[in-house]
Amino acid sequence: DAGITQSPRHKVTETGTPVTLRCHQTENHRYMYWYRQDPGHGLRLIHYSYGVKDTDKGEVSDGYSVSRSKTEDFLLTLESATSSQTSVYFCAISESVTGSEAFFGQGTRLTVV
Amino acid sequence: GDSVTQMEGPVTLSEEAFLTINCTYTATGYPSLFWYVQYPGEGLQLLLKATKADDKGSNKGFEATYRKETTSFHLEKGSVQVSDSAVYFCALSDLSVNAGKSTFGDGTTLTVKP
Repeated sequence: DAGITQSPRHKVTETGTPVTLRCHQTENHRYMYWYRQDPGHGLRLIHYSYGVKDTDKGEVSDGYSVSRSKTEDFLLTLESATSSQTSVYFCAISESVTGSEAFFGQGTRLTVV
Repeated sequence: GDSVTQMEGPVTLSEEAFLTINCTYTATGYPSLFWYVQYPGEGLQLLLKATKADDKGSNKGFEATYRKETTSFHLEKGSVQVSDSAVYFCALSDLSVNAGKSTFGDGTTLTVKP
């Protein structure tokens, strides 16, 4: 199994509070991604990174920010959590090789009350 | 932009039945195509992939063929088992176009009954 760890695995937070989710990899893969999974929407890309300090927005980036100060860590921050951000968040990594698949973490279930 | 459309679910089959889950895509370049499987409470994991036209990916009795002429990558299995019950996602990625970002279909939930 690819070495990719998400923390925390579960979190309940209040509306308006900041929340940071962490993704840690031991594979030295170049690309890292944050997705959210919601019923009826499949997986939607929030932000991604193509290198240290190199990040870009995905299709549902509003209300989220990311940082990647080291190859192995990719942080997702909800600046002021809202109920619409209640979701399951997945981190994924991939190599910079054509045809490389994405390896996923176990997910973080976030509930905003 | 790129998109993936997969057969809506849920799909319920009896054990040993034949499975087909349809997947079609639109892409600007020449993407690689994937099927991922997700078991309850887990992340997605790769089931099979194909990186160019006419390639066939296969794993655990599942197969899918990259059909450029019909822009399709349908998943098939000849005889499903109860343990195949899961959510299946079709996806594409194109490293040359979009930094390897994957575009996913909405997922198809498969339930296999004994």
